[in-house]
Amino acid sequence: NAGVMQNPRHLVRRRGQEARLRCSPMKGHSHVYWYRQLPEEGLKFMVYLQKENIIDESGMPKERFSAEFPKEGPSILRIQQVVRGDSAAYFCASSPDSGTENTEAFFGQGTRLTVV
Amino acid sequence: AQKITQTQPGMFVQEKEAVTLDCTYDTSDPSYGLFWYKQPSSGEMIFLIYQGSYDQQNATEGRYSLNFQKARKSANLVISASQLGDSAMYFCAMRRLLTGANSKLTFGKGITLSVRP
Repeated sequence: NAGVMQNPRHLVRRRGQEARLRCSPMKGHSHVYWYRQLPEEGLKFMVYLQKENIIDESGMPKERFSAEFPKEGPSILRIQQVVRGDSAAYFCASSPDSGTENTEAFFGQGTRLTVV
Repeated sequence: AQKITQTQPGMFVQEKEAVTLDCTYDTSDPSYGLFWYKQPSSGEMIFLIYQGSYDQQNATEGRYSLNFQKARKSANLVISASQLGDSAMYFCAMRRLLTGANSKLTFGKGITLSVRP
């Protein structure tokens, strides 16, 4: 059973370009979370999605950032017109439908985005 | 709102000794869960241990144990018999417990642990 798969592992974009980060949750998981980690910082929540629905986007910047989790295929975090401040590690986590209250979130390896 | 505080500077421990990593939290939620994750230099996030706010006993998982003091709002991680492979960043996190639902994790800034041979 493969874990949470994120790709690419490393992504370099020039300022003004678009960045697309992909996350395939573990098999049987329909809850996906995106977190951002700046250097020397902890992870900050961005958005929580279930299939085709955004449940909580309280951590998403108001502009340039969007996320989706379609019925088929991976979850996508999209950053338009990237700026240097977007450089960070972006982690995806998933959890199952039938999770109990102590269900851990299973994390992917992260995507390291560098904006040059 | 939930808040996790990890204020220890980089920690050092001798191999085979025990070490305690501090975590305090703040929340107005009546039910919550506390987690510890390990992040080695390779970058992945590895789940270590969980404690529910209503659990009567402190959680243990192999060499990891959680010293949970609810009145003090602290959830310190104790690693016994440290190994070189324990050198990593350690994050304390919490989330609100919702019946039949999932919720986001709130993380602290982390603590760097270095194990000396």
